[in-house]
Amino acid sequence: AQSVTQLDSQVPVFEEAPVELRCNYSSSVSVYLFWYVQYPNQGLQLLLKYLSGSTLVKGINGFEAEFNKSQTSFHLRKPSVHISDTAEYFCAVSAHRYNQGGKLIFGQGTELSVKP
Amino acid sequence: ETGVTQSPTHLIKTRGQQVTLRCSSQSGHNTVSWYQQALGQGPQFIFQYYREEENGRGNFPPRFSGLQFPNYSSELNVNALELDDSALYLCASSLAGYLSEQYFGPGTRLTVT
Repeated sequence: AQSVTQLDSQVPVFEEAPVELRCNYSSSVSVYLFWYVQYPNQGLQLLLKYLSGSTLVKGINGFEAEFNKSQTSFHLRKPSVHISDTAEYFCAVSAHRYNQGGKLIFGQGTELSVKP
Repeated sequence: ETGVTQSPTHLIKTRGQQVTLRCSSQSGHNTVSWYQQALGQGPQFIFQYYREEENGRGNFPPRFSGLQFPNYSSELNVNALELDDSALYLCASSLAGYLSEQYFGPGTRLTVT
């Protein structure tokens, strides 16, 4: 079984400051890793994903994340945030499977609040 | 290209009633997954359908059931509604394949009173 822990439920930050949203996972099998963003009253949008290869993954809107296998972490970072980045962010894992896209296991979410 | 759509947007039901939620997949996608997102929580996997067959199920009771149609649209049915069923229900479609990205719809907000 897999589980995901997002270490911060809320992260307040000022505009143009850097931000890191922390995510740790637990799994007995190899997993794929994802970060999703959810704006108010909307569904989830994929920010980035780690499938294999380079441990530093770049996504949309200037976000990036680094996979650390030894620490079982997948922290999300952005060097300079904008007001428009205010949203809920979810880290998720999916176990490697041969056939159809595996089910996603989500963390509890981190509310990023960017203040002017 | 049409994205994932869900209907209705909101609905209110009474405890003990039954409800049907609908999802239209993104064009070309043949796999649909359903998630329940309670207030302040991350989404939880309910089940997945591929080519009209259930293909994996999360820790939800049998009163949660689903269907997938030949055009790959899908329904989520919940019988004997309980207060704890109040949540945002998200549908995600994807193309079969273990590296396939899931595309989410905007969700249906269900309130059980």
